[in-house]
Amino acid sequence: DTAVSQTPKYLVTQMGNDKSIKCEQNLGHDTMYWYKQDSKKFLKIMFSYNNKELIINETVPNRFSPKSPDKAHLNLHINSLELGDSAVYFCASSQDSGAVYEKLFFGSGTQLSVL
Amino acid sequence: KQEVTQIPAALSVPEGENLVLNCSFTDSAIYNLQWFRQDPGKGLTSLLLIQSSQREQTSGRLNASLDKSSGRSTLYIAASQPGDSATYLCAVNRDDKIIFGKGTRLHILP
Repeated sequence: DTAVSQTPKYLVTQMGNDKSIKCEQNLGHDTMYWYKQDSKKFLKIMFSYNNKELIINETVPNRFSPKSPDKAHLNLHINSLELGDSAVYFCASSQDSGAVYEKLFFGSGTQLSVL
Repeated sequence: KQEVTQIPAALSVPEGENLVLNCSFTDSAIYNLQWFRQDPGKGLTSLLLIQSSQREQTSGRLNASLDKSSGRSTLYIAASQPGDSATYLCAVNRDDKIIFGKGTRLHILP
């Protein structure tokens, strides 16, 4: 019974295409995140949503647009894909946004390869 | 600006040994610190969460400590097993931002 699930697991696409990655959590959490893991395995936060509202938007190109139809879903849409977008993208959730007691729960990642 | 460093980047130890992984952070004003495990091709699994007011947390063979004033945390693994082989990440939480280290890649030799 997966807590945070993201699809697809692998995504291979051509430069210039538009693609989406979906994320769903069944934990009843209020906050969801998107992280990017680069080739050096360093995780960086991209976006954070709390109850469908954007609360963190790091320096990410406008080609990346998160969409939260409800608090259990946070999808990531990427326009005009570039070679540098190749990475593993992780979705995560927590009960609240950065409260002292919070634990993060992560999905299994989506490996995006832009050719 | 908060920076999180993990040393060493990689570590190989024989099965059965006890080991310590290190994590340091530059800004001591954190809410909590969390240790994760990442297996190849898989997501992150939360191992231990230490609140800023706590000094350590234990779960089975794992013990994590936190010294906020010096900006350090350690993850102690007792009686290591081949199944412990993975990348271990620490992350600090403050102001709605969670900052990760680059991880320590641990290999337990059978």
